[in-house]
Amino acid sequence: GENVEQHPSTLSVQEGDSAVIKCTYSDSASNYFPWYKQELGKRPQLIIDIRSNVGEKKDQRIAVTLNKTAKHFSLHITETQPEDSAVYFCAANEAAGNKLTFGGGTRVLVKP
Amino acid sequence: DAGITQSPRHKVTETGTPVTLRCHQTENHRYMYWYRQDPGHGLRLIHYSYGVKDTDKGEVSDGYSVSRSKTEDFLLTLESATSSQTSVYFCAISGVVGGATEAFFGQGTRLTVV
Repeated sequence: GENVEQHPSTLSVQEGDSAVIKCTYSDSASNYFPWYKQELGKRPQLIIDIRSNVGEKKDQRIAVTLNKTAKHFSLHITETQPEDSAVYFCAANEAAGNKLTFGGGTRVLVKP
Repeated sequence: DAGITQSPRHKVTETGTPVTLRCHQTENHRYMYWYRQDPGHGLRLIHYSYGVKDTDKGEVSDGYSVSRSKTEDFLLTLESATSSQTSVYFCAISGVVGGATEAFFGQGTRLTVV
């Protein structure tokens, strides 16, 4: 089955700086890679996703890049703000059945 | 918000009692999952289902059972609750819509075993 590893587990950045979270996956047939943000006491919410037919996708201050050859994808947050403080999860599907497997999560703290 | 609801949202129960959590979806998605989340930990998969009556174990399945008799409902049962099962439980669903995969989480159930 799919195995997804996420790094780092915690990330502290100064407000205004960039944050990068990286995930690797094992199933070369995976074709869907979502990212979720979980604020304290709330459910994980989808913030951006990328499919295997593109290498990069942007939405305002967040972007995701995908390297299918190396089997890794990354979340980039630019000009970080205090409201970006949260836990972020990556995921990848098992193409055979579309079951999702999640990474272990990254706790991001943006210091004002 | 996607059509996924969990019930109850909060529950306090005594050690040794059975507890059932319910996840209900209106998206007709194939996959349903139960996760637990503890402080300092990520999402740990308990069980998942890939169809009616088709379920499989996750990484922390001991002490839990599941059932899926209908596409829309996925039940998680703690046969005899223990204090170590105090946690926040999230249900999730995933499926393909228009050729594209999508996945959503329920609001979570906070379970306290005393």
